[in-house]
Formats: sequence, C-alpha cells, structure tokens
Amino acid sequence: ETGVTQTPRHLVMGMTNKKSLKCEQHLGHNAMYWYKQSAKKPLELMFVYNFKEQTENNSVPSRFSPECPNSSHLFLHLHTLQPEDSALYLCASSQGAGTSVFNEQYFGPGTRLTVT
Amino acid sequence: GEDVEQSLFLSVREGDSSVINCTYTDSSSTYLYWYKQEPGAGLQLLTYIFSNMDMKQDQRLTVLLNKKDKHLSLRIADTQTGDSAIYFCAESMGASGTYKYIFGTGTRLKVLA
Repeated sequence: ETGVTQTPRHLVMGMTNKKSLKCEQHLGHNAMYWYKQSAKKPLELMFVYNFKEQTENNSVPSRFSPECPNSSHLFLHLHTLQPEDSALYLCASSQGAGTSVFNEQYFGPGTRLTVT
Repeated sequence: GEDVEQSLFLSVREGDSSVINCTYTDSSSTYLYWYKQEPGAGLQLLTYIFSNMDMKQDQRLTVLLNKKDKHLSLRIADTQTGDSAIYFCAESMGASGTYKYIFGTGTRLKVLA
C-alpha cells in the first residue's frame, strides 16, 4: 500500500450507531488531519495531529472523537451523529504541521458518510 | 478573518482554455496552492506559488497572483476531458509553529467534448 488509505470508503449509519473511520499513511509523515467536505462549502479542517499530539480542534462537536495511536494511523470515532453530518470525510498527512509555512498535504480518497 | 472564495462551477469545451479564479482575504498568505480532486479520489497538489511571485508556469498550467487584489487564478491551456475535476485553492499563512492552511469551496470544472 502506498500513500494515504482510508476505510471504509462508504458508510451508512443511523443516528444511534457508533462507528469508526480509519486512516493510514505510508509516507513517513508526522502530521495527520481530518477534513469534512460538504457540497458548496469550503473544505473544513476538523483536527490536526502532529507527532501523535492533537494540535488543533476546530470547534468540532464532541460526537466526533479523534484518536491517533501513532504517526501512521488516525481514527475518527463517531457516535450519535446527525443527518447534517453526512459528508465526505478526508484524511490527509504531511511532513509536519505548523512548523513550515510550505506544507504539501497528501490526501486519502475519503469516506462517504451518510447518516440516516 | 481568513476566507478563500471560489466560484462553484465552470464549464468549457475541449481544447479551450479554462481559467479558475480564487480570492483570499489574508494578506499575510505566504504560499498559495491549487489542488485537484478527481472523482472518487482525494485532493492532489497540482501547483503552488510563493507570494513574492506574480506568475508561475508549468506545462499547460499558468498561475497568476495579484497580491494587491488578493486574487489567484489557474489557467489550464488546451483543456482535456481528463481535466474534469474539482479544483481547490488554498493558502498557508502564520508564524513559525502556528502556520495555518485554509481551503476554498472548490470549483467543479466540466470539460465538454
């Protein structure tokens, strides 16, 4: 596997379910990110992890809970979501976060989440 | 505040040039980027420009930066059907240790055969 992978690619869940999204990067990067992509809205940064430490939480509701056990893996745990949380959730990685003004991010293909 | 704006849709004919525009609000932006998202895939860096440059050319791609108007554009020459995708403008700014990265809404480019 190369690059950034995400599983599952599609997820349908009810509002009372608990599920997790998984991201893995094979690039040796130190920073990982979760983004939310909704139609007609800017790409929304949710969380940033740098060297496994959370460095940014953009006022994300607590029904989204990230976990970064090591620099290669990132999870997003979901519980009691709302229909408006339906979106494409993208994971990205980069060499570092906040340490260099030039920052190329490498994205996974995303998980298409539908909350019913 | 920090904001990056793009038009949502652009449609061009194959062989024509496409121009995708972006405006940003933070004058301290240091790098500006264009990312491409093909169907079913994540974003991929296409090109970028440092804020002290006015123009950058890379094969069919030309990036123009007007710092005075905070306007960035991406011109794709001889647009092909394979160029159909969503194009995101992004900027990075800030001070050491606190650099931030802001994306726009993306512009969906449709190339008509």
